[in-house]
Amino acid sequence: DTAVSQTPKYLVTQMGNDKSIKCEQNLGHDTMYWYKQDSKKFLKIMFSYNNKELIINETVPNRFSPKSPDKAHLNLHINSLELGDSAVYFCASSQSGLAPLPGEQYFGPGTRLTVT
Amino acid sequence: GQSLEQPSEVTAVEGAIVQINCTYQTSGFYGLSWYQQHDGGAPTFLSYNALDGLEETGRFSSFLSRSDSYGYLLLQELQMKDSASYFCAVRDDNNDMRFGAGTRLTVKP
Repeated sequence: DTAVSQTPKYLVTQMGNDKSIKCEQNLGHDTMYWYKQDSKKFLKIMFSYNNKELIINETVPNRFSPKSPDKAHLNLHINSLELGDSAVYFCASSQSGLAPLPGEQYFGPGTRLTVT
Repeated sequence: GQSLEQPSEVTAVEGAIVQINCTYQTSGFYGLSWYQQHDGGAPTFLSYNALDGLEETGRFSSFLSRSDSYGYLLLQELQMKDSASYFCAVRDDNNDMRFGAGTRLTVKP
C-alpha cells in the first residue's frame, strides 16, 4: 500500500492554464505539506495543513492555493501557470501537530510539472 | 537569516566511509534530520537527532552538536546504491522545515 500518493506523476501544460495536483495519505497523519523542488534540487516548503487548518504559508504567489477536503487529502491548485512554476512538487505528511516535532516526514513520489 | 550549509558534492569508493557535514543557523531548533533522495525519486527519511551525540542505524550514523550548530551524516561500507543526494533539515520555531541544498554523493567502484 502506498503511504503518500500523488496524481498526476507528470503534468505538461501551457502558460496561463490552471491545474491541480492531488495528494492522499493513508498513514493517519494529521499534518500534510507541499514542497517545491527546483532544477537545482533545492527543496522549499510551500504549505502545510494540520487538522484542515493552514499552519504554514511561505511567501508563495497567491496563484497557488492548497485545499484540504479532509485530513487525508491536501490538493494543490495553481492558477495562471508561469514558466517559472516548472519544478517537481512533493506532497508529504507527518504524525505530529503544532508542538515541536520529530523530523520524520513521508514524501509522495512527486509530480513533475512542465510549463511550456 | 536562516541557513543550512552542506557540501554540494562528495565522491567516495565502494567500501569506504564518508561524512557529510551540515551547519545550520535557524530561528529556534527542534532537531536535525537527514533525508536521502535518489535521482527521480522522493526524499526518504534517514535519521533524526534532537539531542547531542551519535545515533546509529545500520551503516548510517548521524551526529549532532547543538552548541556548535553542527551535525553530520556518516555512511559506512559504502555501496553503489548509496549514490544519491542527501539533505539535512531543521525544524525551526515557526514550525517550518528548512532543508539544506543537498549533497550529491557519488560512489565509485
